[in-house]
Amino acid sequence: AQSVTQPDIHITVSEGASLELRCNYSYGATPYLFWYVQSPGQGLQLLLKYFSGDTLVQGIKGFEAEFKRSQSSFNLRKPSVHWSDAAEYFCALARAGSYQLTFGKGTKLSVIP
Amino acid sequence: DVKVTQSSRYLVKRTGEKVFLECVQDMDHENMFWYRQDPGLGLRLIYFSYDVKMKEKGDIPEGYSVSREKKERFSLILESASTNQTSMYLCASTSPIGNLGSPLHFGNGTRLTVT
Repeated sequence: AQSVTQPDIHITVSEGASLELRCNYSYGATPYLFWYVQSPGQGLQLLLKYFSGDTLVQGIKGFEAEFKRSQSSFNLRKPSVHWSDAAEYFCALARAGSYQLTFGKGTKLSVIP
Repeated sequence: DVKVTQSSRYLVKRTGEKVFLECVQDMDHENMFWYRQDPGLGLRLIYFSYDVKMKEKGDIPEGYSVSREKKERFSLILESASTNQTSMYLCASTSPIGNLGSPLHFGNGTRLTVT
């Protein structure tokens, strides 16, 4: 069975600092990988996705993520964090050809002005 | 833009009540999902449906059932609500993943409290 691990429950960064949120997965083949963001009181919004091809994917709001097969990782990055990025971030995995997602437990991001 | 609408943002019910959570999507998506979200546990799949009148159990179906009589509507039913079903419930929809550009689209959630 597949699984997704987000090792950091809560991260605090200063506005303008760089950000990296970690995601590790367990799956026997190449999965489909996603990052979602959830602002307080809202549903989840897709930031970016990886299906195949270029391992560095660009998303909305200035986010990017890099798929590293050797490390089973799909870490999310942003070079300069804005206060509006404070939210909870979820990494998710789908088996190739499937539409069922397995989510990590989320990382809550706080931004210090 | 895809719109997934959950009929209630907040709901308070008593133990033993039958509870209906409604979800409607406006993009003619085949697949619809119900998740529950709890602090520290992330999102867990309760049920999903890939066509009208079709349903499949997710990871935590116990205590829940679903109904999909029309393509745009997917209902989650708590037959006899219990306090451990107090949670945030999220509905989502998508086209088949074979259409690679189609992600899950989420509603804003229903926060259910069972007293």
